Amino acid sequence: EVRLVQSGAEVKKPGESLKISCKGSGYTFATSWIGWVRQMPGKGLEWMGIIYPGDSDTRYSPSFRGQVTISADKSITTTYLQWSSLKASDTAVYYCAKSFGAYFDYWGQGTLVTVSS
Amino acid sequence: EIVLTQSPGTLSLSPGERATLSCRASQSVNSNYLAWFQQKPGQAPRLLIYGASSRATGIPDRFSGSGSGTDFTLTISRLEPEDFAVYYCQQYGSTPKIFTFGPGTKVDIK
Repeated sequence: EVRLVQSGAEVKKPGESLKISCKGSGYTFATSWIGWVRQMPGKGLEWMGIIYPGDSDTRYSPSFRGQVTISADKSITTTYLQWSSLKASDTAVYYCAKSFGAYFDYWGQGTLVTVSS
Repeated sequence: EIVLTQSPGTLSLSPGERATLSCRASQSVNSNYLAWFQQKPGQAPRLLIYGASSRATGIPDRFSGSGSGTDFTLTISRLEPEDFAVYYCQQYGSTPKIFTFGPGTKVDIK
């Protein structure tokens, strides 16, 4: 069974750093692209970027390039999304999702990130 | 960059009725690269349709997708209570590698 299990909810202050995780199991982790998707409160889905864990090839949406960093550790079948300096506007639910070619076939449960002073 | 537009924004229907959701692209999209997702409150999105018309594993046959070029449609033949949700279309571009979601259509109970 394919599973993507994300780290728990976070509450942070503006300016703080954060790294959230997504652990994959039940499939060949290294050879499946994993994407990250943002959903701001009451809003739609926004694709942020995607990584190929086998060689850490990473592509970013122009809207998120330079704002976040996506990484992976294939030894522990985990991908990461990190911020160096959070803003209140980063408050959202973040989903990881496994890519099967042109679409995302399995999704994590989501991680709520709240940034507030 | 391809922009996806979905209409209507909200669709108010009763159980048993037919729902027709539209997704329009600003440029022609490869049909193999068009998908539809369902999202219920508090849940992650779920893949319904890929390749414009193929149902994902476990998706009931009341869901169907069609279309080509710039116009795509998701049809729910007879709405069940569990189908009231938000539906997103998504397209993929290979060069550069990019995924784009539409703004969503909310199907709610009339």
